[in-house]
Amino acid sequence: SQQGEEDPQALSIQEGENATMNCSYKTSINNLQWYRQNSGRGLVHLILIRSNEREKHSGRLRVTLDTSKKSSSLLITASRAADTASYFCATAGSARQLTFGSGTQLTVLP
Amino acid sequence: EAGVAQSPRYKIIEKRQSVAFWCNPISGHATLYWYQQILGQGPKLLIQFQNNGVVDDSQLPKDRFSAERLKGVDSTLKIQPAKLEDSAVYLCASSMITGMRTEAFFGQGTRLTVV
Repeated sequence: SQQGEEDPQALSIQEGENATMNCSYKTSINNLQWYRQNSGRGLVHLILIRSNEREKHSGRLRVTLDTSKKSSSLLITASRAADTASYFCATAGSARQLTFGSGTQLTVLP
Repeated sequence: EAGVAQSPRYKIIEKRQSVAFWCNPISGHATLYWYQQILGQGPKLLIQFQNNGVVDDSQLPKDRFSAERLKGVDSTLKIQPAKLEDSAVYLCASSMITGMRTEAFFGQGTRLTVV
């Protein structure tokens, strides 16, 4: 079963704009992770936020986590055409199971 | 650091045939995952190993799918017999066991087409 649900399912923006993707989940977590997947390739880990953290930054990425609402958001600032990909959130439980959401397809137009 | 290796990259088989996928995780990673990703969907966990023991196989269709991880390193995933709905990309991933470092490293996947 899918733990997380990403919103929106698809997002199209112009280069230089910011992109925001949201993730909601159902059960308690140890941490939440975001991954990127380019077409036809494996997933690449972007950023991990622990359950006791509220916000984390990595380069042009900003992740927030609200455990009371069981939700997270991923912000990509100053987007580039190379950011075009599918983005997935994944929740990690106590046994380190990684459960993925359904993903957001981001298209950055040059 | 070498990444997660998977083979083959592509496989086309007829329904009711058998197929096997192989995965070599990153050296030292105790946790190994197999995921099934159907086109347009997120990866679905099939089985998770910790060393050579199974942690979670609740979503593995055990009547046709089997997996093993001999000596806690390489792993194989087998489908016998295959159905049309098994067409998907099969992803292997591994992660470290220590502390909170649970990010997974993925292989390129095996794209299976069942005709």
